[in-house]
Amino acid sequence: GAVVSQHPSRVICKSGTSVKIECRSLDFQATTMFWYRQFPKQSLMLMATSNEGSKATYEQGVEKDKFLINHASLTLSTLTVTSAHPEDSSFYICSARSGTGIPTNEKLFFGSGTQLSVL
Amino acid sequence: DAKTTQPNSMESNEEEPVHLPCNHSTISGTDYIHWYRQLPSQGPEYVIHGLTSNVNNRMASLAIAEDRKSSTLILHRATLRDAAVYYCILVRLANSKLTFGKGITLSVRP
Repeated sequence: GAVVSQHPSRVICKSGTSVKIECRSLDFQATTMFWYRQFPKQSLMLMATSNEGSKATYEQGVEKDKFLINHASLTLSTLTVTSAHPEDSSFYICSARSGTGIPTNEKLFFGSGTQLSVL
Repeated sequence: DAKTTQPNSMESNEEEPVHLPCNHSTISGTDYIHWYRQLPSQGPEYVIHGLTSNVNNRMASLAIAEDRKSSTLILHRATLRDAAVYYCILVRLANSKLTFGKGITLSVRP
């Protein structure tokens, strides 16, 4: 089946630094990618939707200047957490859709997640 | 977003069938019903999806009520590896986003 690779799987950084997370679709072209975050014992919260070659659409309450999303190619999307703070510590997950059919009739493929810890 | 309601948790015995219910009384005619599951410390994994008819694949079966206001995910023989949080999600044509609820935590007893 289709594979979405997310890297790194775990990152620890100091407060104030920026962290980049990569999400790659390995065997299909992803026209749409989604970014989620998940706090312990909670469900996934959608942060933003990105379509290749256009600006990401952010969900209400998500700071676009803090969480920079780039979807420059059909196989790569990146999420950069800028000036990270301890409250940004979370599990970040990307997902991708090929977009070859009706979106509601297509399954999403998820990355394995990135655990971000900000000290 | 269209809302789904699932029990918080369910327990099952290994090698027995499991029926995971989901209510979605506000479903509209073009909403697809998707199921995903998430194992600890991993990203979610697709299980199955459907619109009106029952669906079967190698992982599970999806039984959709005739009025589409509820559905049931059926695992025919639960294994220990099926222990996970299962999410029932309605995907709407207008935005095609997957909005996750709390899901149901399935525990499997050996």
